[in-house]
Amino acid sequence: DIQMTQSPSTLSASVGDRVTITCRASRSLGVWLAWYQQRPGKAPELLIYDASILEAGVPSRFSGSGSGTEFTLTISSLQPDDFATYYCQQYSDYSTFGQGTRVEIK
Amino acid sequence: QVQLQESGPGLVKPSETLSLTCTVSDYSISSDYYWGWIRQTPGKGLEWIASTYRSEITFYNPSLKSRLSMSVDTSKNQFSLNLGPVTAADTAIYHCARRRMSGSVFDYWGPGILVTVSS
Repeated sequence: DIQMTQSPSTLSASVGDRVTITCRASRSLGVWLAWYQQRPGKAPELLIYDASILEAGVPSRFSGSGSGTEFTLTISSLQPDDFATYYCQQYSDYSTFGQGTRVEIK
Repeated sequence: QVQLQESGPGLVKPSETLSLTCTVSDYSISSDYYWGWIRQTPGKGLEWIASTYRSEITFYNPSLKSRLSMSVDTSKNQFSLNLGPVTAADTAIYHCARRRMSGSVFDYWGPGILVTVSS
């Protein structure tokens, strides 16, 4: 099994802040990594796939980078809608998700 | 806009079989996508369960494989999951979702159904 570790688990930030979330894999994924956003009581929504490709309709303030075992999701200027939980997902070998990063209001 | 909706019992007894159905609207499940199940618990987070392509190709999570089966009913535009025998550890919110052919990302999800395993 490929283990996915996200950090931090919780992040406190303010509107307008630049936010970075990290996801580390237990072995190399190439670029086979996606990011999802989940709001309370809702299903996850795809933000980024193949490590850095923005899903259609997702605001450009979201970006992804990385390859191999270390990946980052960056929100360039946090908006009120962005306070949510974010998950990474590897799909190099079956599929596993990170444990999530909750972005809360500071 | 693809819509998915899970249905099934919200309560299942230990050692019985959990059966869920996902109804897909505004999109044919015979098209070139996989269809899958993911569950979510506070303790383990998101866990991929299985994905199938027209029942021709099905991938199961190795840790659950011995208890799993998936099927597709193209006439009803539905796909289903059977998991059993269940224990309390299978209590979760179960989501169905559409998975892309190239790259196993899930681009449309159902809202999820809470299934509790309890006597």
